[in-house]
Amino acid sequence: DQQVKQNSPSLSVQEGRISILNCDYTNSMFDYFLWYKKYPAEGPTFLISISSIKDKNEDGRFTVFLNKSAKHLSLHIVPSQPGDSAVYFCAASHFGNEKLTFGTGTRLTIIP
Amino acid sequence: SQTIHQWPATLVQPVGSPLSLECTVEGTSNPNLYWYRQAAGRGLQLLFYSVGIGQISSEVPQNLSASRPQDRQFILSSKKLLLSDSGFYLCAWSPGTVSYEQYFGPGTRLTVT
Repeated sequence: DQQVKQNSPSLSVQEGRISILNCDYTNSMFDYFLWYKKYPAEGPTFLISISSIKDKNEDGRFTVFLNKSAKHLSLHIVPSQPGDSAVYFCAASHFGNEKLTFGTGTRLTIIP
Repeated sequence: SQTIHQWPATLVQPVGSPLSLECTVEGTSNPNLYWYRQAAGRGLQLLFYSVGIGQISSEVPQNLSASRPQDRQFILSSKKLLLSDSGFYLCAWSPGTVSYEQYFGPGTRLTVT
């Protein structure tokens, strides 16, 4: 049972434009959501997170939006840069849970 | 600041051989520790996690085991490797109840031949 889903395995975006990565979840207990970025042959790096008490969190070029009623979150990157080319994982957890549940990832390619 | 180390970076092992991957964390105490595997083209699968010395929770029944002999040391082992054990193994730590964020090591690429 895939509780966190990233339905787009890949996405290509022109440099300078906005990249939008999507994530859906099914477990209504999830109350904290994270995005990670992963380059090949490296460990994922934490990018940005959001608590369920918020619907938006911004950090520089990265903004995460949460729509609790739709059980949907998205990561916006603007403007997109070549160094943003990587696999992006969405993850979720809930209070008292030591574990993160990860999506299957979206490979973002920024076209120069 | 905290750092996490994993070794070796790459490993090629024959089927049936044993495995030992080690992970250590510096700059923090009582971390939660995690082992993940990323198979080719797949997401991150949680294998084991530990909230303290000697406390191991297994997420997926399989050919692997984990141990935590010291507070900041986490070891992934196998007595006999299978071809299906090939993958990219990642260790991660988190501050535990303080924060949800997990921080990953550089990973070990294991190829079983």
